[in-house]
Amino acid sequence: GAVVSQHPSRVICKSGTSVKIECRSLDFQATTMFWYRQFPKQSLMLMATSNEGSKATYEQGVEKDKFLINHASLTLSTLTVTSAHPEDSSFYICSASSGGSSYNEQFFGPGTRLTVL
Amino acid sequence: AQSVSQHNHHVILSEAASLELGCNYSYGGTVNLFWYVQYPGQHLQLLLKYFSGDPLVKGIKGFEAEFIKSKFSFNLRKPSVQWSDTAEYFCAVSLTGRRALTFGSGTRLQVQP
Repeated sequence: GAVVSQHPSRVICKSGTSVKIECRSLDFQATTMFWYRQFPKQSLMLMATSNEGSKATYEQGVEKDKFLINHASLTLSTLTVTSAHPEDSSFYICSASSGGSSYNEQFFGPGTRLTVL
Repeated sequence: AQSVSQHNHHVILSEAASLELGCNYSYGGTVNLFWYVQYPGQHLQLLLKYFSGDPLVKGIKGFEAEFIKSKFSFNLRKPSVQWSDTAEYFCAVSLTGRRALTFGSGTRLQVQP
């Protein structure tokens, strides 16, 4: 099956710094990538949808200036958490889809655990 | 806004027992339905999906799910679980024509040998 990687798998940073998380589709071209956030013992919450070469679409309540998403190529999307605070600590998961239809399966990355001190 | 409810948060079964995990969604329109599994230390994987047609769908590893439209439900079943089925299971819904998924809170399944 299709493989999606995330880097780093784990990051600890100080409050006020910015952190970049990469999501890569390793063996297919991802026209669309999704970013989710998961709090402990809770569900995945969609943060934003990004299409290659265009601006991301953010879900209601997600600050686009805080969570910067770039989908510059068909195999790479990045999520930058700017001026991170302890409440941003969470598990961030990306998924990638190769087509434009709702029938195209999403393949998930292994997630990145962010801890903000 | 649509939501997905998974009633069982933690299920413990013995090997060979039958499994049924509940999933209900709250949206009256046409939806696509999914079950994902996350084995310990691994990423989410698709177990099965329903878009249209036969409401009983079969997935990988012997899992199946039945879509009951009148009950807004999409319960996951397996007749005989194995220790290797120990994992977290997530039900998810997307609106027809959209790819964004709304997930349930997950059910942690623990199968005892």
